[in-house]
Amino acid sequence: ETGVTQTPRHLVMGMTNKKSLKCEQHLGHNAMYWYKQSAKKPLELMFVYNFKEQTENNSVPSRFSPECPNSSHLFLHLHTLQPEDSALYLCASSQAGASTDTQYFGPGTRLTVL
Amino acid sequence: EDKVVQSPLSLVVHEGDTVTLNCSYEVTNFRSLLWYKQEKKAPTFLFMLTSSGIEKKSGRLSSILDKKELFSILNITATQTGDSAVYLCAVEVRGGGNKLTFGTGTQLKVEL
Repeated sequence: ETGVTQTPRHLVMGMTNKKSLKCEQHLGHNAMYWYKQSAKKPLELMFVYNFKEQTENNSVPSRFSPECPNSSHLFLHLHTLQPEDSALYLCASSQAGASTDTQYFGPGTRLTVL
Repeated sequence: EDKVVQSPLSLVVHEGDTVTLNCSYEVTNFRSLLWYKQEKKAPTFLFMLTSSGIEKKSGRLSSILDKKELFSILNITATQTGDSAVYLCAVEVRGGGNKLTFGTGTQLKVEL
């Protein structure tokens, strides 16, 4: 257990559905991240939040909408996704500004878009 | 554009073997290099390297960074089946807003 939890662990959705992924960190960190991991590709950073403010949007399509209500919670709202969006979505957190701000990852949500 | 390249892409060894995984990078304003182990889902942190020539060690795993030649290696001695995983290398840049650039990973399989 890394102190970062994600729900659901698996999600199957149609292209017209709306769903949300949830991430919670219990480490007292102030930065949270969403990554996408597709088969045979490097982990791709999607969004970064520092102190609840979005500081990075890595050219992510608008069908992915993040929300960070506080430093412990991060959501990724999904709507009208495409089959190529099927991937493992990983959340991470870190203590930004500390001498070592190592990112700790959650277990991920395996998303399948039909 | 920042780039991280890992080699080999995959590797199959027998228990007891020693393996060396490679990570080379091309980034501006390097801050640190990190190694993660990913077994099923969550990558778990192994090492963070910021200085050249200083070996980090944890049990049978060790890693070293060469900032002149822009690479790092991860060594695993006396491999066990439990070492089977994808090993990810990532680089953080200064002023990058905590942004990590990952390599594609090395898939290691340790057989009996």
